[in-house]
Amino acid sequence: KQEVTQIPAALSVPEGENLVLNCSFTDSAIYNLQWFRQDPGKGLTSLLLIQSSQREQTSGRLNASLDKSSGRSTLYIAASQPGDSATYLCAVTDSNYQLIWGAGTKLIIKP
Amino acid sequence: ETGVTQSPTHLIKTRGQQVTLRCSSQSGHNTVSWYQQALGQGPQFIFQYYREEENGRGNFPPRFSGLQFPNYSSELNVNALELDDSALYLCASSLIRGQSREQYFGPGTRLTVT
Repeated sequence: KQEVTQIPAALSVPEGENLVLNCSFTDSAIYNLQWFRQDPGKGLTSLLLIQSSQREQTSGRLNASLDKSSGRSTLYIAASQPGDSATYLCAVTDSNYQLIWGAGTKLIIKP
Repeated sequence: ETGVTQSPTHLIKTRGQQVTLRCSSQSGHNTVSWYQQALGQGPQFIFQYYREEENGRGNFPPRFSGLQFPNYSSELNVNALELDDSALYLCASSLIRGQSREQYFGPGTRLTVT
């Protein structure tokens, strides 16, 4: 059974710092991995999708990597801003085409 | 191209009642999935519909049921509501084509059961 874990559960950093969020999964048989952002009480915004054959994806200040063999992904945020404060969720599409989610990392960027 | 929409935005129901949540898929998408997200947790997969047929189900009891219509819009029905059903319900649509499985999410329906 696929399980997705995100560490840390919460993170608070000063504005301007670079930071890394971690995601691990137990079964390497995935179609893709996605990183999402969720603002309080709101729906989900897709940030980056990495297909299983890819190693990384970049969008602006965000860079996501995927190491399928070790069951790990990282989301790197450069030059953090207060507007980056949100909960970040990772999810994998498993062999049954279902999204399996981590519990998220709550990120606070202090001005 | 319109995105995924859900209605209603918020809903308050009493324990034991029934509720229907609605989702309109992104144009051209043939698959819809429903998720339940309890406060402080990641979403949990409820079920998925592909071309009007259930195409996978998570660990949810039968009182959670769904429909997908010919225009690929969808409903989630929950009978005999329990307090623990209070959550954000998310709908996502996708187009199953080759290896692409990217899902696009609606804003969610916040259900409160009292």
